[in-house]
Amino acid sequence: TQLLEQSPQFLSIQEGENLTVYCNSSSVFSSLQWYRQEPGEGPVLLVTVVTGGEVKKLKRLTFQFGDARKDSSLHITAAQPGDTGLYLCAGAFYGGSQGNLIFGKGTKLSVKP
Amino acid sequence: DAGVTQSPTHLIKTRGQQVTLRCSPKSGHDTVSWYQQALGQGPQFIFQYYEEEERQRGNFPDRFSGHQFPNYSSELNVNALLLGDSALYLCASSLRTGLNGYTFGSGTRLTVV
Repeated sequence: TQLLEQSPQFLSIQEGENLTVYCNSSSVFSSLQWYRQEPGEGPVLLVTVVTGGEVKKLKRLTFQFGDARKDSSLHITAAQPGDTGLYLCAGAFYGGSQGNLIFGKGTKLSVKP
Repeated sequence: DAGVTQSPTHLIKTRGQQVTLRCSPKSGHDTVSWYQQALGQGPQFIFQYYEEEERQRGNFPDRFSGHQFPNYSSELNVNALLLGDSALYLCASSLRTGLNGYTFGSGTRLTVV
């Protein structure tokens, strides 16, 4: 059972275009993290969102955590070739079972010059 | 400040053999988690170690075992290797709650032939 569904699975766009990646679940998470992974490397943390409705910005990247803490989105403005990579969302549960991350399958983004 | 270090980077083993992968966490982190990432998939949680004990475990058979040492470094052992164990094995370190996110190593690419 896939707890976190990411969409789209693949995305190929031209430089300068905008895009949004979605991460949805039926589970409520204590926090949700977004990672970017390049081939042959481990995921690199981009942002952690904790509060329902929270919006965080990282340069051209905007992250939003749903009010119910079940879903999140990543919006990239004016995409550049350097944004190419695998974007992973990961939910975390705290309390009784602390700390392990549940990952989505990822969105493979290709930005063409 | 060294991040997470994993060794070896690549490994080829034969079916039925045993393998040990190693991980040194980021300075200041006391918790180590191991993930398996098959090609085209998101990472899947194997287990987490804190204070030298396995604290959580994902849906992996007993062939997968681990250890954490007093200096917080960790090992992942896989016995009786199967072809399906071929994957990128990622180590992630964090503080106990994981609230500040996880730092991943570059992984060990294991190929079972």
